[in-house]
Amino acid sequence: RKEVEQDPGPFNVPEGATVAFNCTYSNSASQSFFWYRQDCRKEPKLLMSVYSSGNEDGRFTAQLNRASQYISLLIRDSKLSDSATYLCVVNLYNQGGKLIFGQGTELSVKP
Amino acid sequence: ETGVTQTPRHLVMGMTNKKSLKCEQHLGHNAMYWYKQSAKKPLELMFVYSLEERVENNSVPSRFSPECPNSSHLFLHLHTLQPEDSALYLCASSPGQGNSPLHFGNGTRLTVT
Repeated sequence: RKEVEQDPGPFNVPEGATVAFNCTYSNSASQSFFWYRQDCRKEPKLLMSVYSSGNEDGRFTAQLNRASQYISLLIRDSKLSDSATYLCVVNLYNQGGKLIFGQGTELSVKP
Repeated sequence: ETGVTQTPRHLVMGMTNKKSLKCEQHLGHNAMYWYKQSAKKPLELMFVYSLEERVENNSVPSRFSPECPNSSHLFLHLHTLQPEDSALYLCASSPGQGNSPLHFGNGTRLTVT
């Protein structure tokens, strides 16, 4: 089982749609979770840190389910500018806090 | 200048060349990282430095040699690379190691011919 596994993409959605990405992780000792966004040929940029109670930032909502070891990202009212690859990142607490990246889920929002 | 800066942005080198990638961070962070991103693959951690001391080396071939002279600068020295080493090389920094999110530089796109 991969340490961090994301929904395979790509996701093609119309503007205004709601889209959700899931990410599962294998290391139950993980303590920190993040979602990054990466535009084509650019560096990843932090989108959200994921807190145990779940958190919301505008149209974006992140949730953590420790029992099932998955993290989700919900995007409401999708914009064209949301088109990017979304990376799930998990730390391996019992390996010195190493951060492991998922392979990414590509989102394409169409007019 | 703020953030994490990488130079050069693009690099083409032959298999017998020696080159270096440079990374500089102006965020006052204590940890710096090198990641490799190949097409259709997850980011791969190569090296981690915390307070200028290497704490992680993910079985990277010796043709990649990191150097961290101080907490603001990180280098990746390259020699006798292979075509399969062509990738985007990303430098990142974080306040501490582990629980903090990473701040990435804009990357060096390397092509080995």
